[in-house]
Amino acid sequence: GQQLNQSPQSMFIQEGEDVSMNCTSSSIFNTWLWYKQEPGEGPVLLIALYKAGELTSNGRLTAQFGITRKDSFLNISASIPSDVGIYFCAGQPGGSGGSYIPTFGRGTSLIVHP
Amino acid sequence: NAGVTQTPKFQVLKTGQSMTLQCAQDMNHNSMYWYRQDPGMGLRLIYYSASEGTTDKGEVPNGYNVSRLNKREFSLRLESAAPSQTSVYFCASSLRRTFTDTQYFGPGTRLTVL
Repeated sequence: GQQLNQSPQSMFIQEGEDVSMNCTSSSIFNTWLWYKQEPGEGPVLLIALYKAGELTSNGRLTAQFGITRKDSFLNISASIPSDVGIYFCAGQPGGSGGSYIPTFGRGTSLIVHP
Repeated sequence: NAGVTQTPKFQVLKTGQSMTLQCAQDMNHNSMYWYRQDPGMGLRLIYYSASEGTTDKGEVPNGYNVSRLNKREFSLRLESAAPSQTSVYFCASSLRRTFTDTQYFGPGTRLTVL
């Protein structure tokens, strides 16, 4: 199956710092999705990207669809304690003849110290 | 409006036992999905139902069966549980019949097979 490498695996930061994480794929995706999962809960969609080069923001979160279509990035500015959770990327091949079943990364665990 | 609900929240089974995980959504969504999440792993799709009356295999369907009972409910059955099926199971739903639409996840069922 397709491989998604998400890094870093975990991050321990101070409140107010900016955060960057990324996902890379061995193959092309036509859609990239970023989710956040809090302890004991299901994932919640943060940002969806549909076009190579696209840059989309949702409050303090900004995500980019890489030009090569094989990577995506998520940035969180001025982190706050409630940003704590696991962030997952997911890619969908889609397109002509492609499957829309998403492939998920293994997640980036974010801990924010007050 | 409860969104996506799952029962039970926790379950312990012995190898060879059977059980059904229940999922219901009250958002009048057309599509529903079952995922499993293993420690340190991303979500993997087990089965999905694009619309009432249809079901399709996902990435890891072996050992599972599903039933789309009606538009609201989508159940997942383990006929003969195995330790490898120890996982957290998430149900999700989306309005439109496509994976590109936003998926809303339930809180999960934590299953342990001894």
